[in-house]
Amino acid sequence: AQSVSQHNHHVILSEAASLELGCNYSYGGTVNLFWYVQYPGQHLQLLLKYFSGDPLVKGIKGFEAEFIKSKFSFNLRKPSVQWSDTAEYFCAASRRTGANNLFFGTGTRLTVIP
Amino acid sequence: EAEVAQSPRYKITEKSQAVAFWCDPISGHATLYWYRQILGQGPELLVQFQDESVVDDSQLPKDRFSAERLKGVDSTLKIQPAELGDSAMYLCASSLAKGQRELFFGSGTQLSVL
Repeated sequence: AQSVSQHNHHVILSEAASLELGCNYSYGGTVNLFWYVQYPGQHLQLLLKYFSGDPLVKGIKGFEAEFIKSKFSFNLRKPSVQWSDTAEYFCAASRRTGANNLFFGTGTRLTVIP
Repeated sequence: EAEVAQSPRYKITEKSQAVAFWCDPISGHATLYWYRQILGQGPELLVQFQDESVVDDSQLPKDRFSAERLKGVDSTLKIQPAELGDSAMYLCASSLAKGQRELFFGSGTQLSVL
């Protein structure tokens, strides 16, 4: 069965600290991978996406993620977080072909302390 | 910037009452999705439309939930009768076409069933 796992439920960091949020997926076949962010009171927004090609993808606001096929992982990173990065982060996956509805992880709440 | 519109933003109802949510996708987007997000979890797909046709409603509790997209543009999700466990955020998303892999989300309708 398809699933997306995020093992960090709540992460608390000080400003300027480095961030890495874990995401693992379980899928048959090839997948598209996404990270979405939900700032307090706002809708889900796409941070970055991986379809194919270079496994290191760069998104908005200095975020990047690396697709490691052998580990079924798509971890999100940012070298130096800011207070404004406080939000809920969701990893998601969809099949490369056929039905392309997204399966989401349970989310990681990031709190950045000024 | 074009957005997915949803209304109402909040809805409070008593159990056994009927509720309805409305979604207007980004203009020109053929594919529309309804997701449900329970507090502390990631969004889960309820139903997917391609134009006016249902593509996937396997996770929709059809004894009480119904969804329609009569003219292939805006959509309505209905719950009748509402139960306490239906309290959640109901999110609408759209994408340009079935094969398009990026989803754009609305701000959601927060439902509280008392």
